[in-house]
Amino acid sequence: SAVISQKPSRDICQRGTSLTIQCQVDSQVTMMFWYRQQPGQSLTLIATANQGSEATYESGFVIDKFPISRPNLTFSTLTVSNMSPEDSSIYLCSVTPRDSNEKLFFGSGTQLSVL
Amino acid sequence: DAKTTQPPSMDCAEGRAANLPCNHSTISGNEYVYWYRQIHSQGPQYIIHGLKNNETNEMASLIITEDRKSSTLILPHATLRDTAVYYCIVRNSGGSNYKLTFGKGTLLTVNP
Repeated sequence: SAVISQKPSRDICQRGTSLTIQCQVDSQVTMMFWYRQQPGQSLTLIATANQGSEATYESGFVIDKFPISRPNLTFSTLTVSNMSPEDSSIYLCSVTPRDSNEKLFFGSGTQLSVL
Repeated sequence: DAKTTQPPSMDCAEGRAANLPCNHSTISGNEYVYWYRQIHSQGPQYIIHGLKNNETNEMASLIITEDRKSSTLILPHATLRDTAVYYCIVRNSGGSNYKLTFGKGTLLTVNP
């Protein structure tokens, strides 16, 4: 398994500002993903964070709005840019460990509220 | 990846077995069936996965029909802490595509 630390756990932000969410894993992982869970909804994949290269975004998500970094095998950040109330969601980091590459493990998420 | 169909909600009495069904009639030969659950305000938690054979671990059992078009997750002795949304997901194990696509899941409520 993998222990995933996600920061901040929650935040309240003003519209038009940006928030960067950090995801730190205690061991090297193969894949890192970012999901969004809007209120009362299921999880939606935002992008795959690629080490040392640009992230791979899913349909409906763009780099200008959700820039992602992954400088090494254990760390990634997701920025929610120019926020609006519609961005209020839980944002979740997930990883596939090298020693358990058929399973996906999730962080506890970042609860974001935009006023 | 194949689509799955689950009932939106189920109830179970504490101490009894909870049997959660999932239909995946369009599943292909190299696709696995995964089950995750999400307890309120937490990230999803891996439960179990399988390809053809039935699987059992410390959390649950997974029963896959012979034609692989449906499966059942069994929690043998449900507790109040098992109240959660349970997601059945079909994923292609080929290549390096490890991402999962979540549906709406089944809200299991375990009652005292």
